[in-house]
Amino acid sequence: GAVVSQHPSWVICKSGTSVKIECRSLDFQATTMFWYRQFPKQSLMLMATSNEGSKATYEQGVEKDKFLINHASLTLSTLTVTSAHPEDSSFYICSAPGLAGGTGELFFGEGSRLTVL
Amino acid sequence: DQQVKQNSPSLSVQEGRISILNCDYTNSMFDYFLWYKKYPAEGPTFLISISSIKDKNEDGRFTVFLNKSAKHLSLHIVPSQPGDSAVYFCAATDYGQNFVFGPGTRLSVLP
Repeated sequence: GAVVSQHPSWVICKSGTSVKIECRSLDFQATTMFWYRQFPKQSLMLMATSNEGSKATYEQGVEKDKFLINHASLTLSTLTVTSAHPEDSSFYICSAPGLAGGTGELFFGEGSRLTVL
Repeated sequence: DQQVKQNSPSLSVQEGRISILNCDYTNSMFDYFLWYKKYPAEGPTFLISISSIKDKNEDGRFTVFLNKSAKHLSLHIVPSQPGDSAVYFCAATDYGQNFVFGPGTRLSVLP
């Protein structure tokens, strides 16, 4: 079945540095990818929708300059947390629809745990 | 305004018994519904789905029921096993354009 791979699975960084998280669709093309954030014991929070070849669509309250999203190809979307601070520490998850334009399943990456010291 | 609601944040069930997780939605444009299971520090994994043209879909121990008129769906797990302990997210989509997730229900299956 379709697989979405996320890397790195765990990253620790110093405050002020930038961290890039990659999301790849391994055996299918994804023109759209979704980025979520999850705080401990809380639900998935949609941050933005990544669109191949165009700008990402951000949810209300999500800082575009803080969370840079690039969807350079049909199989890769990246989320860069710029000038990370401890409050950015969270579990970031990406997903991609399995069927372009259809009501197919949404496939999730393994998630990336970011810890900012 | 939550379009997808899971009113029970947690549920405890004895091993071997039935687990019933409920989900309500408000948007009549939703036409496809999915359940995801999530373990701590892992991405959600797909469990089972149902199209709005059906009222029931069964896959092994998992059955999803959809009541369109009530805008309600439920996930039944029978028999429940300790390995089923996880957070379950209900999700709805409108023709694959938008996916909306509920807040999740934490299921604990007690041995």
